[in-house]
Amino acid sequence: EAGVAQSPRYKIIEKRQSVAFWCNPISGHATLYWYQQILGQGPKLLIQFQNNGVVDDSQLPKDRFSAERLKGVDSTLKIQPAKLEDSAVYLCASSNAGTGYEQYFGPGTRLTVT
Amino acid sequence: SQQGEEDPQALSIQEGENATMNCSYKTSINNLQWYRQNSGRGLVHLILIRSNEREKHSGRLRVTLDTSKKSSSLLITASRAADTASYFCVLGGGADGLTFGKGTHLIIQP
Repeated sequence: EAGVAQSPRYKIIEKRQSVAFWCNPISGHATLYWYQQILGQGPKLLIQFQNNGVVDDSQLPKDRFSAERLKGVDSTLKIQPAKLEDSAVYLCASSNAGTGYEQYFGPGTRLTVT
Repeated sequence: SQQGEEDPQALSIQEGENATMNCSYKTSINNLQWYRQNSGRGLVHLILIRSNEREKHSGRLRVTLDTSKKSSSLLITASRAADTASYFCVLGGGADGLTFGKGTHLIIQP
């Protein structure tokens, strides 16, 4: 079974530029999560989707971050414009009721904002 | 939101020794999970223990839960270099997003 796929793996941009990350969850997983992990800290939930609907985006900085999950499969997380403090690893995870909601994480995208 | 607090923040042991890390929390829970994160395999789920369980085993891992003390421990026996990682305890389960603490950073010395 293929795992959660993310791209790109690394991205370097200048502040005020925009960037987008892509995630393909495990086939059949209805729930998809985006987390932000700053160096030295644990991951922080940004947004949770159930199929193509948003369940929780309370910690998403909506003035600059946006996310979508069209057709309830792949998802894209966008930052526009980026700030220095957005430098972090962005992790995508998926889960399914059939697996007891265990979350499966992708390898992450490491973003550096200069 | 509910968050566990791992202790110690960092731990360094010799290969072959046992490693114990602890998690404390403040609220009532239904489940508690442990996750591991390293550069090789990323962030992976290790084990889930329910509030009505006191101990659970998975390979070289042993997790205990004491709901009266609001604490859990993760024991790794016969440690290996590949166990070098950060370990996180996460409260709850289900479909909700997870809340992670800072974790315990474990280093296994050869």
